[in-house]
Amino acid sequence: DAGVTQSPTHLIKTRGQQVTLRCSPISGHKSVSWYQQVLGQGPQFIFQYYEKEERGRGNFPDRFSARQFPNYSSELNVNALLLGDSALYLCASSSQTGTVIYEQYFGPGTRLTVT
Amino acid sequence: GDSVTQMEGPVTLSEEAFLTINCTYTATGYPSLFWYVQYPGEGLQLLLKATKADDKGSNKGFEATYRKETTSFHLEKGSVQVSDSAVYFCALTSRGGGKLIFGQGTELSVKP
Repeated sequence: DAGVTQSPTHLIKTRGQQVTLRCSPISGHKSVSWYQQVLGQGPQFIFQYYEKEERGRGNFPDRFSARQFPNYSSELNVNALLLGDSALYLCASSSQTGTVIYEQYFGPGTRLTVT
Repeated sequence: GDSVTQMEGPVTLSEEAFLTINCTYTATGYPSLFWYVQYPGEGLQLLLKATKADDKGSNKGFEATYRKETTSFHLEKGSVQVSDSAVYFCALTSRGGGKLIFGQGTELSVKP
């Protein structure tokens, strides 16, 4: 079975631009979470979506937004890019029963560089 | 708030040496605990997990035991290989599990 897929692999943007990152979860997984990993640090939680609804949000500014589609794929949007947004953006999917989420499986990430 | 603290790296070992990477946590309630591994240029792979006190997670020769009394989840391996060179992250989830909280990561380098 295919794992979590993310696109694009790499992206270079200029300050002030907007970017959209995409994620397809493992087949059968309905929960998708997004994380930002700055070089040399652990990933930081941005959003979690389940059944197309936002179920959790980390401490990120409103420039960050996301959505989940009926096929459970997801997009992360970042507006008005800053140099500090340069990072590896990771998507993770998991199965969920009620309010319990099981282990999260990560995609390879999208490397965003803001110049 | 909830947090995870790992021993600082990098950790450099010779092949077949014993590995311990320390991880302690702060959390309300009863978190689930995880170890993830990140190879260069890749995403995170789930290495092992434990969901309640005294559980032992194990995979590929790695082990970690959920110690509630010491709020720890130390990663161990009896004999490391060069292929184990990677960054290891300790993490927890609580309150339903949607948000993983990670430590800062520990880089392991194994020399032949």
